[in-house]
Amino acid sequence: DQQVKQNSPSLSVQEGRISILNCDYTNSMFDYFLWYKKYPAEGPTFLISISSIKDKNEDGRFTVFLNKSAKHLSLHIVPSQPGDSAVYFCAASRYYGGSQGNLIFGKGTKLSVKP
Amino acid sequence: GAGVSQSPRYKVAKRGQDVALRCDPISGHVSLFWYQQALGQGPEFLTYFQNEAQLDKSGLPSDRFFAERPEGSVSTLKIQRTQQEDSAVYLCASSSKRLRPTVQPQHFGDGTRLSIL
Repeated sequence: DQQVKQNSPSLSVQEGRISILNCDYTNSMFDYFLWYKKYPAEGPTFLISISSIKDKNEDGRFTVFLNKSAKHLSLHIVPSQPGDSAVYFCAASRYYGGSQGNLIFGKGTKLSVKP
Repeated sequence: GAGVSQSPRYKVAKRGQDVALRCDPISGHVSLFWYQQALGQGPEFLTYFQNEAQLDKSGLPSDRFFAERPEGSVSTLKIQRTQQEDSAVYLCASSSKRLRPTVQPQHFGDGTRLSIL
């Protein structure tokens, strides 16, 4: 049973427009959410995160929104650039035993930004 | 280097052979995680170390999988009597200790792509 779901396997966006990537989760114990970006043959690269005590976190062109009641988060990229083309993974974890728990990942969304 | 380093990048083994995969975390990071990523899937948790202590190995798929981190730095993931379903990318990640409310993300290496023939 998938605890983190990314229901769109792919997304295509025109350069300069907004990219919106979505993620749903089922476990209400998750208290920390992250987005990673992955290029082929490389490991995931941390992009942005949000704690469950917040509903928005912004870093440059990237903004993550968290809706706890809907168990939904989204990543907004504005404006989108061709270099943003990659697979984006949503991940969640919870804090327990005095340390950070392991990450639970979605299956990823492949973003293509067309010039 | 400054990042998580994994070796080898690629490993091909025959079914039944033993393999060892190495992870060199970011200096000073106390937490170390191993993940397995199958084609078209997200990474899945295998095991977790805090310093030299293996605190969680609930994700290891069988007793053929063994991980260690004897000095709290470099870690090795060993797979004995490999089988074809072990073919995957094995990712290592490290992070500094998480102190609430501050959170520290996990930083990943580029992985080892394991192919079992």
